[in-house]
Amino acid sequence: GAGVSQTPSNKVTEKGKYVELRCDPISGHTALYWYRQSLGQGPEFLIYFQGTGAADDSGLPNDRFFAVRPEGSVSTLKIQRTERGDSAVYLCASSSWDRGNTDTQYFGPGTRLTVL
Amino acid sequence: RKEVEQDPGPFNVPEGATVAFNCTYSNSASQSFFWYRQDCRKEPKLLMSVYSSGNEDGRFTAQLNRASQYISLLIRDSKLSDSATYLCVVTPTNAGKSTFGDGTTLTVKP
Repeated sequence: GAGVSQTPSNKVTEKGKYVELRCDPISGHTALYWYRQSLGQGPEFLIYFQGTGAADDSGLPNDRFFAVRPEGSVSTLKIQRTERGDSAVYLCASSSWDRGNTDTQYFGPGTRLTVL
Repeated sequence: RKEVEQDPGPFNVPEGATVAFNCTYSNSASQSFFWYRQDCRKEPKLLMSVYSSGNEDGRFTAQLNRASQYISLLIRDSKLSDSATYLCVVTPTNAGKSTFGDGTTLTVKP
């Protein structure tokens, strides 16, 4: 079946611009996660949705970052006033996790964001 | 100190070798543990979950020591295709947030 998809695969933008990154999870997966990964490091948690609501947004670095999942499926990560330090691969994952069950996350291919 | 720590390597081993990776975690409340594999410029993919009793999947064996807050991955009879970065992942059961280590890089050479 279809896996997690992310668009665009690559995004180059200028410092100060606004960007939106999209994630389409595996059908039926209620949980959706955003991570970002810099070279040589593991994925860093940003935010986690259970259904439409953000269950944990403790990883968002500052208020320039915001994510939504209005219908409990597709999610959009929004970054305002981008900075060069935002350059990274943004990974989305989904799972059928619910309380008490083992959480196996399936990742999308990522969006490589470059801020010039 | 990072919540999840791994030896970054790189580990360079010949085909057929046995290699072991270790991972330590600081949050004693952590309940779910995984090893993911990540190929260069690709997304992480689940290799195996790690259970308290230890578990094996073919050439791969994972162990968990809750008392020492330590997870291991053993790869026997290494193949060239095992070359990748191996990520240790720790998740509490009451939240979806997962913490990844920075990975251990393995290169298997002919």
